[in-house]
Amino acid sequence: AQTVTQSQPEMSVQEAETVTLSCTYDTSESDYYLFWYKQPPSRQMILVIRQEAYKQQNATENRFSVNFQKAAKSFSLKISDSQLGDAAMYFCAYRSAVNLYNFNKFYFGSGTKLNVKP
Amino acid sequence: DVKVTQSSRYLVKRTGEKVFLECVQDMDHENMFWYRQDPGLGLRLIYFSYDVKMKEKGDIPEGYSVSREKKERFSLILESASTNQTSMYLCASTLRKAGQGKTLNQPQHFGDGTRLSIL
Repeated sequence: AQTVTQSQPEMSVQEAETVTLSCTYDTSESDYYLFWYKQPPSRQMILVIRQEAYKQQNATENRFSVNFQKAAKSFSLKISDSQLGDAAMYFCAYRSAVNLYNFNKFYFGSGTKLNVKP
Repeated sequence: DVKVTQSSRYLVKRTGEKVFLECVQDMDHENMFWYRQDPGLGLRLIYFSYDVKMKEKGDIPEGYSVSREKKERFSLILESASTNQTSMYLCASTLRKAGQGKTLNQPQHFGDGTRLSIL
């Protein structure tokens, strides 16, 4: 089974600065999808950004970007110009792109709690 | 926008009770999931369903069962609640259909979660 590792249980960043959250994964597959989710305190988990493994270009969504290193199996999230509203738990997730049995599980990391200091 | 609704945000039950957690999605998604979220452990998959009346065990199914009688509704059942089932429970849904043997790069859509306490 695939494993997803987030080695930073908690991080802090000053408002307006940049922070990078780390994620590594273990897989023998060549085609897959990677996701970053955000879970604000007591609120719904939402998608931040996604990356398709066959695309070399790193995904970007406004202030959020990823550094996808396929050979190193690394998928870090960079948040630029951090805002108070970015404070949340962030989860990295993996999903195989091969459609076996019409279903593929999502594998989640243990999460990184991001604190944003005013 | 996809809406995934969980019946309760907070729930307190007693040991030995039968507990039902309900989840409804409004986007005609085939796949539905139940996760348990505990600090330091991330999300662990309890059960999933890829169609009506179809279910598969996830990583931690012991002590749980599920029901999917209608496409939009996926219920998690704690047959006899125990204190070690105190946790946050998350429901999610996603599209299943894909072409050319590949899944879509569709994310999961989550409900608000149910914080369940078993006393």
